[in-house]
Order: sequence, then C-alpha cells, then structure tokens
Amino acid sequence: KAGVTQTPRYLIKTRGQQVTLSCSPISGHRSVSWYQQTPGQGLQFLFEYFSETQRNKGNFPGRFSGRQFSNSRSEMNVSTLELGDSALYLCASSNRQGALEGEKLFFGSGTQLSVL
Amino acid sequence: AQKITQTQPGMFVQEKEAVTLDCTYDTSDPSYGLFWYKQPSSGEMIFLIYQGSYDQQNATEGRYSLNFQKARKSANLVISASQLGDSAMYFCAMREGAGGANSKLTFGKGITLSVRP
Repeated sequence: KAGVTQTPRYLIKTRGQQVTLSCSPISGHRSVSWYQQTPGQGLQFLFEYFSETQRNKGNFPGRFSGRQFSNSRSEMNVSTLELGDSALYLCASSNRQGALEGEKLFFGSGTQLSVL
Repeated sequence: AQKITQTQPGMFVQEKEAVTLDCTYDTSDPSYGLFWYKQPSSGEMIFLIYQGSYDQQNATEGRYSLNFQKARKSANLVISASQLGDSAMYFCAMREGAGGANSKLTFGKGITLSVRP
C-alpha cells in the first residue's frame, strides 16, 4: 500500500510569489492535515480537510489556504510568499471514521519550501 | 503554558541498550490521545505508538512502549534494544478531545537521539 505522497519534494520561490503544494493520501483515507515545520516554531498545525470540507484550522494568516478533491487528494496554497514561510510542509492522512478509529496519522516526506 | 514539553537535550545511547525519552503534557480535556513520532534526516514523520487517555494498559508496539502516568501527565517513550537506525529526532504529540472530529496534533519541540555502535 503506497504511503502519503507529497510533491514537489523541494521548491524555491521568491518573495511575493505564490506556491501550490500537493498531497496524495493513503488510499482509502479521507482526512488530510497540513503542518508547517520550522526550526524556530517547530511543528504547527495549518488545517485539516475531511471529505472535501475544511474541518479544522490553525492560527495562520489567510495567505495560507487549502482544498481537498473528491479523490481525497489535497492541495495547499500560499500566496504572497514571505521569507518566514520557508519551512518543511508536511501532509498527514488518516482513515478517521469515528470517535475511536483511525487514531494514527501517517505523514509524507514533506515539501521543503525555500523563499528567497 | 506549553501543552507538550520535551526538555531533554540530545540523548545518546549505546547500541542494544534501552533508552527513555521524556514527555509531559498539559490538558484539561478528559479525552485526549498521545503520540510519538520519529523523524529521520529524510524528513518523513514516522508513527511509532499511540496511547489514548482512557486506555487501561500502557501501549506497546514492537520495541517501543509508552510509560503512561496519567496523574503525573507524563507519556515517556521507551525504546528497547536500540539500533543504529533509531538515530533520529523524536516528537511527542497530543490530540485533545474525542477523536473523529478533531485530528489536530500539538507537537513538542522534539528530542534528538543518537545511537552509538
């Protein structure tokens, strides 16, 4: 069974540009979450999508947005990039179906974004 | 207050020995879940073990076990028979509230573990 796939693996952008990151969850998983990892702030939750609906959102500005498609694949978009957006962006999927199921989150290898 | 605290500096362990990585947490929610993840230099977060707040027994997954002390709000990871491939960053994380509607994890700062041959 294939794991969580994130593309691209590396990305270099300049300030003011926008970027789109892609995440394909494990087959059958309907929940996709996004996290930002930086040396200073550590791992921070961005948002979660479940069945094409945003279910949870972290404390990030509106420049960070996402969406989920009917096949559960998800994209994350960052507009008007800032130097501080340089980070490893991790996507995680879960087969969360009910209160006690799907407790495990499976992560991809991430997209390393560098903003120059 | 930090919700997840990992205060150990870089940890070193001899190959084949056991090591304990500390994690304390803070929540007022009676229902929560605790996770440990391993992050090697490749960047991928690898799930190791999960403990639910209502679980009666400590979780175990192969060489990994979780020493869950609810009253002390600690969830230490024990790795038995360390291997060179265990060298990585280890993160403790918590999900508050009942599962299903919320999969947001709050992570600690992480602990670097180095296994010596």
